[in-house]
Amino acid sequence: AQSVTQLDSHVSVSEGTPVLLRCNYSSSYSPSLFWYVQHPNKGLQLLLKYTSAATLVKGINGFEAEFKKSETSFHLTKPSAHMSDAAEYFCVVSGSGNTGKLIFGQGTTLQVKP
Amino acid sequence: DTEVTQTPKHLVMGMTNKKSLKCEQHMGHRAMYWYKQKAKKPPELMFVYSYEKLSINESVPSRFSPECPNSSLLNLHLHALQPEDSALYLCASSLQGNTEAFFGQGTRLTVV
Repeated sequence: AQSVTQLDSHVSVSEGTPVLLRCNYSSSYSPSLFWYVQHPNKGLQLLLKYTSAATLVKGINGFEAEFKKSETSFHLTKPSAHMSDAAEYFCVVSGSGNTGKLIFGQGTTLQVKP
Repeated sequence: DTEVTQTPKHLVMGMTNKKSLKCEQHMGHRAMYWYKQKAKKPPELMFVYSYEKLSINESVPSRFSPECPNSSLLNLHLHALQPEDSALYLCASSLQGNTEAFFGQGTRLTVV
C-alpha cells in the first residue's frame, strides 16, 4: 500500500531564508509524486511532479524537489522564502493502478516571518 | 485553458434543502473527482469518474449523489445534509487516472 508522511506539521522561516519541507513515501512500485500548495480558502495548486524522469524536479515559483529512491524521500526546497509562500503544502503519491486515487500527506503549514 | 471552475463559491443550506454543486473543465480530461476537505486536514476522496462513468465511490453516504452529464461537467447533488457535512468541496480533473490532478477553487458549504 502507498503512504505519505510529512515530517513537519509546521515550519517557520524568515523571509529570504531557505525553505525545506520534508516528505517520505512508501510505495510498492515506482510512484508518481506531487507537491501541492493551498492558500487559505483556496483550491490546491500543483507545484511540481515527479514521474520517473529526472530525479531533480523544478516547479513553479522557484520551488524544486529531489526524488531519492534509496531514502524514499521527496523533499521540497526553495532557496529564498517570500511572504507569499505562506500556505499549506501537501505531499502526494499516486495510488496503485490507474484509478486516479491520490494519497495525501497530512500537510505542512509554512509560516514566513518578515 | 487550464482551469477547473466550480460554482457556487459559497453555499449555505438547511438540512431539508436540496442543492447542487457544479464543476466544469475544458482541458479534455477524462477523469474527474470530488473531494471533501475539513479545516486543517488533507482532502478526502469521495468519488471518481472515469470516461463519464463512476469508477470509485469511497463509501460516501447516499445524501451525496454525483452525476457526470458529459466529459466536461461534474455535479454533486446534495440532499438532507447534516451540519457535520459542512466543509470545502473540491472538484479536480486529470487527463487519465495516473496523471496529475488539477483542482478547482472549491465550494465552501455550510449546513445549518
